[in-house]
Amino acid sequence: EAQVTQNPRYLITVTGKKLTVTCSQNMNHEYMSWYRQDPGLGLRQIYYSMNVEVTDKGDVPEGYKVSRKEKRNFPLILESPSPNQTSLYFCASSDTGPFGGYTFGSGTRLTVV
Amino acid sequence: AQTVTQSQPEMSVQEAETVTLSCTYDTSESDYYLFWYKQPPSRQMILVIRQEAYKQQNATENRFSVNFQKAAKSFSLKISDSQLGDAAMYFCAGPRKTSYDKVIFGPGTSLSVIP
Repeated sequence: EAQVTQNPRYLITVTGKKLTVTCSQNMNHEYMSWYRQDPGLGLRQIYYSMNVEVTDKGDVPEGYKVSRKEKRNFPLILESPSPNQTSLYFCASSDTGPFGGYTFGSGTRLTVV
Repeated sequence: AQTVTQSQPEMSVQEAETVTLSCTYDTSESDYYLFWYKQPPSRQMILVIRQEAYKQQNATENRFSVNFQKAAKSFSLKISDSQLGDAAMYFCAGPRKTSYDKVIFGPGTSLSVIP
C-alpha cells in the first residue's frame, strides 16, 4: 500500500530533551515536507526537501532540523524542544512537488512540558 | 501574511443536503494549483480535489465539486448529498502571492453533518 509512515503518533516530552520524529514513504517520491498544524492557523511548512541531500526552510523553521540522506526518509529533529513547539505535526510527500498534491502521514501529536 | 482565507470557521449541514465552503486567495501568478484537503476526526489529511488554474472547467470528484472564479480569486467547495462521513475539518490550499510552486493552507472550516 502506498503510504507515508510517521512515528510516533503521540509524544510527550520535557523541555530541552532532544527528540526525533521519523517519516518514511514507499512511493519513491522526490519531494517531502514537514508541517505543523495549530488551531486557527492551518498547516504551516517547517522544512521541505526536493531530493536527497537537498533541504530548505519553510515558513517556521526555527527550532527544527531535518535531514534527507535517503530518498524514502525525512526525519524531523527537535534539538531542544520548547513548549511553543507543542503541536500536531505532519509529514507529507509528493512526486511532483506541492502542486501535485500531497500524501500525508497520520500525524504526530507532540506535547512539550 | 496569510494569503489563503477561509471565512467560515464552522459550518453545519443536514444529511443529504448540499453545503458550500468558501475559500479566497491572493496571488500574482497566472498558473497555479488549488486544493481542498479533508481532515476527519482520525486526523488523517486526505486530498479531496485539485484544480489547475489554467483550466476553465471546474474540477469534480464524485459528490465534491468546486466553483473556481479566477478573476475573483475564489475557490469554493460544494459537497452534494452530504453524508455523516463528510464531517471533518476542510482546508483550502493555494499559491503563495509570488510563488506558484509553493502552497499555503487556509485556517480550515469545521463541517458538522446533522443526521
